[in-house]
Amino acid sequence: GEDVEQSLFLSVREGDSSVINCTYTDSSSTYLYWYKQEPGAGLQLLTYIFSNMDMKQDQRLTVLLNKKDKHLSLRIADTQTGDSAIYFCAVPYNQGGKLIFGQGTELSVKP
Amino acid sequence: GAVVSQHPSRVICKSGTSVKIECRSLDFQATTMFWYRQFPKQSLMLMATSNEGSKATYEQGVEKDKFLINHASLTLSTLTVTSAHPEDSSFYICSAREPGGLRTPQHFGDGTRLSIL
Repeated sequence: GEDVEQSLFLSVREGDSSVINCTYTDSSSTYLYWYKQEPGAGLQLLTYIFSNMDMKQDQRLTVLLNKKDKHLSLRIADTQTGDSAIYFCAVPYNQGGKLIFGQGTELSVKP
Repeated sequence: GAVVSQHPSRVICKSGTSVKIECRSLDFQATTMFWYRQFPKQSLMLMATSNEGSKATYEQGVEKDKFLINHASLTLSTLTVTSAHPEDSSFYICSAREPGGLRTPQHFGDGTRLSIL
């Protein structure tokens, strides 16, 4: 089955860029997603990228996709303390559309 | 953007009680909704796929008699945890996919924190 891996923690200083990485195993995945979860809350869809794209930029967020290496990254420019949260990458699995989530990366932004 | 509402946000009840959680898509119709469970400091695990007008599809290891799912309309799916016990305490989150088939993203509710005493 599909396996999605993320590093567990990332700590950056306010104003720096953050890069959160994700690797997956199923090369047939067509869409890949990034979600943000704040403490005690549900998941907020941040952005998603189609597999025929290499990059997608949306304001401070940049998603890079390397299909050959099955590697996905989320870059947050000018990271703010309000960006502190857990970030999940998610990959659809099979034709049923269910999502397989990575373990989540806890981003800590220090002033 | 698409909004999914989940209710209640928190439940505390005694062991043996049955608890119903509602998931509504507010501004779109969702033929498919998903129910996830999240333990503290862990990722989300899919429990079941809820299909409007038909039976839910449960993931391996999830007891369908324990976690009853009803998807009676295009905007509402319910999860009932029957005879809940302390080990059922968890964070339950639903999601709904926008119309347009498999190429549309899923939007999540704010989750329900269930605590069984």
